[in-house]
Amino acid sequence: KAGVTQTPRYLIKTRGQQVTLSCSPISGHRSVSWYQQTPGQGLQFLFEYFSETQRNKGNFPGRFSGRQFSNSRSEMNVSTLELGDSALYLCASSPGGAYSYEQYFGPGTRLTVT
Amino acid sequence: EDKVVQSPLSLVVHEGDTVTLNCSYEVTNFRSLLWYKQEKKAPTFLFMLTSSGIEKKSGRLSSILDKKELFSILNITATQTGDSAIYLCAVVPSRDTGANSKLTFGKGITLSVRP
Repeated sequence: KAGVTQTPRYLIKTRGQQVTLSCSPISGHRSVSWYQQTPGQGLQFLFEYFSETQRNKGNFPGRFSGRQFSNSRSEMNVSTLELGDSALYLCASSPGGAYSYEQYFGPGTRLTVT
Repeated sequence: EDKVVQSPLSLVVHEGDTVTLNCSYEVTNFRSLLWYKQEKKAPTFLFMLTSSGIEKKSGRLSSILDKKELFSILNITATQTGDSAIYLCAVVPSRDTGANSKLTFGKGITLSVRP
């Protein structure tokens, strides 16, 4: 099975712009979670989507949003970028069933905001 | 708020040494604890621990959970340079639905294994 894929892998944006990141989960997986990873804060949960619905949400401002499509692919959008948004954004997929705690991570998108 | 603390933050050892990585947690309605290894890219899954006192083992790596004292350890014996990575632990809270639930991660332990 192909793993989780994320595009683009690297991105440079300027403050005030917006960005959209994409994640394709493992075939058959219905849950996609997004995380932000920075050296200071570690991995922090952004949100989780299952069957096109947001099921869980972390403590991030409303500038961070996401969606999931019927094929389980997910996108994450960050509007009005700030310097502090520079981070590695990871998505993880899991089957999404009652006992599917194990998450499989994609390679991440490295976002740099200048 | 759920909290996961890993220690030490970083560690430098020589090949052949044995290391113990610690993860303590405070979480309401604990269900499981997960260990991941992160090299340059995506974290890769190592272990899931749900029951106290039962050791999980995979080659030179092993892990155990103590639900009474709220911690887990990850042991690596006969370390190799390929073990150099960031080791992350995460807790999974119970959920009242059939849905997946958000993981709370520690900040990770950076392990460097010198030849």
